[in-house]
Amino acid sequence: SQQGEEDPQALSIQEGENATMNCSYKTSINNLQWYRQNSGRGLVHLILIRSNEREKHSGRLRVTLDTSKKSSSLLITASRAADTASYFCATVKGNNNDMRFGAGTRLTVKP
Amino acid sequence: DAGITQSPRHKVTETGTPVTLRCHQTENHRYMYWYRQDPGHGLRLIHYSYGVKDTDKGEVSDGYSVSRSKTEDFLLTLESATSSQTSVYFCAISGSSASYEQYFGPGTRLTVT
Repeated sequence: SQQGEEDPQALSIQEGENATMNCSYKTSINNLQWYRQNSGRGLVHLILIRSNEREKHSGRLRVTLDTSKKSSSLLITASRAADTASYFCATVKGNNNDMRFGAGTRLTVKP
Repeated sequence: DAGITQSPRHKVTETGTPVTLRCHQTENHRYMYWYRQDPGHGLRLIHYSYGVKDTDKGEVSDGYSVSRSKTEDFLLTLESATSSQTSVYFCAISGSSASYEQYFGPGTRLTVT
């Protein structure tokens, strides 16, 4: 079963707007990661946030983690048409190699 | 794609035939993974390897076997392909355990008729 669940399933915005995607999960985690997938391609790692961190930034990306609510959000600021892709959260429990992915959010940025 | 190749990239096969997918890396990473991606399910882990000849099962391992005889190669075998194994298969590598990021190959689209 999936550990993470993204919300919304699909998001359509205009270029220049901000995009926010959410991820909820069910059990305690070691870290949570966000990946991006362009159509027909493999996943690309965006950012990793550990369970003892609350917020991380990378360029136009901002990720928050609320372990009390078992949720994370990915904010993309000043979106571009090139940001059009599917975005996945993935959770890791303990130190094992069992990384669980959500079903993803499909983001469309209109020029 | 971080020095990861998958072969073949596309394959159509018949039910009941064995199929082997290959993942090759040039990064000398210790950890290698096989996932399948299906609509509505995200990615699910099939098997992973934490070293040469060291492998373990993932979430959806039934009907699949793996082998790793060299650091750079990780093979996924469908012993007797079924239509439910029609999917896109991704290989990934990691320099550490999954506490760190994984790097993904381009994927193999497998159709079982």
